[in-house]
Amino acid sequence: NAGVTQTPKFQVLKTGQSMTLQCAQDMNHNSMYWYRQDPGMGLRLIYYSASEGTTDKGEVPNGYNVSRLNKREFSLRLESAAPSQTSVYFCASSASRVGANVLTFGAGSRLTVL
Amino acid sequence: DAKTTQPPSMDCAEGRAANLPCNHSTISGNEYVYWYRQIHSQGPQYIIHGLKNNETNEMASLIITEDRKSSTLILPHATLRDTAVYYCIVSPGHTNDYKLSFGAGTTVTVRA
Repeated sequence: NAGVTQTPKFQVLKTGQSMTLQCAQDMNHNSMYWYRQDPGMGLRLIYYSASEGTTDKGEVPNGYNVSRLNKREFSLRLESAAPSQTSVYFCASSASRVGANVLTFGAGSRLTVL
Repeated sequence: DAKTTQPPSMDCAEGRAANLPCNHSTISGNEYVYWYRQIHSQGPQYIIHGLKNNETNEMASLIITEDRKSSTLILPHATLRDTAVYYCIVSPGHTNDYKLSFGAGTTVTVRA
């Protein structure tokens, strides 16, 4: 199984440009998440989707939008990229069963905003 | 979510057990303890989780104190490939809460 697949793996943007990070999972998981990780720091939750058709803000949602396209896919959009959004972005998914919210992560998307 | 406190770094010798402590003194009754690790810029990897009882799987053992205010992750025979950042997280284990909050973790370096 592929697990969680993120595209692109690397991207360089200029300030003000827009782009969408794509995430797909093949584990039939209900919940999906977007985190960002800045150098030397832990992960911070941007947005999450508890189930198909719902999305909620995490710790650092400003400057981002998300779409839960279907059960498999959860995209993250930067409408007007800023240098502060230079980071590594991780998508994750989980089955969200009671007592075991185990996340499976993708390999990450490395974004640089100049 | 309850906060966790972990040492910023620790070293251990290859082949020896690595004991990683985590303090979660404000943990509430319905919160689980999760451990993840992140190997050099890869996506974090789930290791183990528990509520009250000690747990063991093929990767590690989790020892939770009786008052649940702290826990220890044990890697029984550390290898060089276990060099990573290890995150201890507490979070409710019910279907209304889906978020895991990652702190800075412990950077573990396994030395030959």
